[in-house]
Amino acid sequence: GAVVSQHPSWVICKSGTSVKIECRSLDFQATTMFWYRQFPKQSLMLMATSNEGSKATYEQGVEKDKFLINHASLTLSTLTVTSAHPEDSSFYICSTPTGGVDEQYFGPGTRLTVT
Amino acid sequence: LAKTTQPISMDSYEGQEVNITCSHNNIATNDYITWYQQFPSQGPRFIIQGYKTKVTNEVASLFIPADRKSSTLSLPRVSLSDTAVYYCLVGSHSGYALNFGKGTSLLVTP
Repeated sequence: GAVVSQHPSWVICKSGTSVKIECRSLDFQATTMFWYRQFPKQSLMLMATSNEGSKATYEQGVEKDKFLINHASLTLSTLTVTSAHPEDSSFYICSTPTGGVDEQYFGPGTRLTVT
Repeated sequence: LAKTTQPISMDSYEGQEVNITCSHNNIATNDYITWYQQFPSQGPRFIIQGYKTKVTNEVASLFIPADRKSSTLSLPRVSLSDTAVYYCLVGSHSGYALNFGKGTSLLVTP
């Protein structure tokens, strides 16, 4: 099956700085990418949906100006956390649909720690 | 969206069979039942999907009774490496974001 990679796998940044997380589909053309966030001991929560070549759709409560998503190609979607704060510390995971019902390929996740 | 209910946690010893049941009383006619596995600090992984009766693959079996209001994920002879969170999802669409519930945290000990 297709492999989805994320880079970096973990990152530590200072409060107020910006961090970019990359999500790549290695052998699959990903028209759609989903970005989820997962806090410790909690389930995955959808943040936004990105479609190649168009603006991302954000879930209620997710600030689009803070979490910038770019999906410029069929193999790469990026999530930039701008002006990061400690409460943004979380595990960020991307995924792309396979075409099957409720079936998606997930990336390995990126652990963000803001100090 | 059909809501699912699973036990929050389960414990098992190595070598035992583990059965995790998911309730989905409001499942629709077109809905499939899908299970994902998530290891700590990793993204979820699709493990099995079914519509009715029984499905088996190299990882697990999925049992679905005739009324489809519940399903049971069966893991044969678990090992320590099966320690993970298991999520049950119900849906009928492809290409949509997934709505993960709380999942079942399985802890396998020696």
